[in-house]
Amino acid sequence: RKEVEQDPGPFNVPEGATVAFNCTYSNSASQSFFWYRQDCRKEPKLLMSVYSSGNEDGRFTAQLNRASQYISLLIRDSKLSDSATYLCVVNGWSNFNKFYFGSGTKLNVKP
Amino acid sequence: AAGVIQSPRHLIKEKRETATLKCYPIPRHDTVYWYQQGPGQDPQFLISFYEKMQSDKGSIPDRFSAQQFSDYHSELNMSSLELGDSALYFCASSLEVKYRGVSSYNEQFFGPGTRLTVL
Repeated sequence: RKEVEQDPGPFNVPEGATVAFNCTYSNSASQSFFWYRQDCRKEPKLLMSVYSSGNEDGRFTAQLNRASQYISLLIRDSKLSDSATYLCVVNGWSNFNKFYFGSGTKLNVKP
Repeated sequence: AAGVIQSPRHLIKEKRETATLKCYPIPRHDTVYWYQQGPGQDPQFLISFYEKMQSDKGSIPDRFSAQQFSDYHSELNMSSLELGDSALYFCASSLEVKYRGVSSYNEQFFGPGTRLTVL
């Protein structure tokens, strides 16, 4: 079992829709959580760090549920430009400098 | 703001040749990571360096080696290249944030990658 699990999708949604991704992690001692966005053949780019209290950045909201060991990403009012693969990344249980990646969730936003 | 720099961006090699990929981390970042990403896969961790010392090792083949130099740039050396080594190779860097001596947070930033094609 992978340390970080994601639904690979694809999620096919119309423009303007709200879409949510979940990601589960295996180790309760994990300390830091992130969502990255990756476009085809490009590098992963940090979208949001996920704080214990949850955080919001414009149309994007990230939540952390430590009890159930999952993080979520909510995208409101989806844009065509949101189409990408969203990677869930967790670090810090045995080695703070080690990052564990989910397999990514693919989002396709359609006109 | 300065980002992670990787060179070359594209590289074409023949089987059994060698290749060297270079990475220049964000200034003042203390950790460098190397990842390999095949088509349709998530990035696979190869190796990392913290303050110029190897800090962790992942699925790096014995044919590959890496090091971090005094100026913090890192090189990934790949020998006896195989067709299966064709992939995107990303370098990433991070800065460990400590609060009262305890590691509390860091974020990882990726370079644009080197696309290696082995023919």
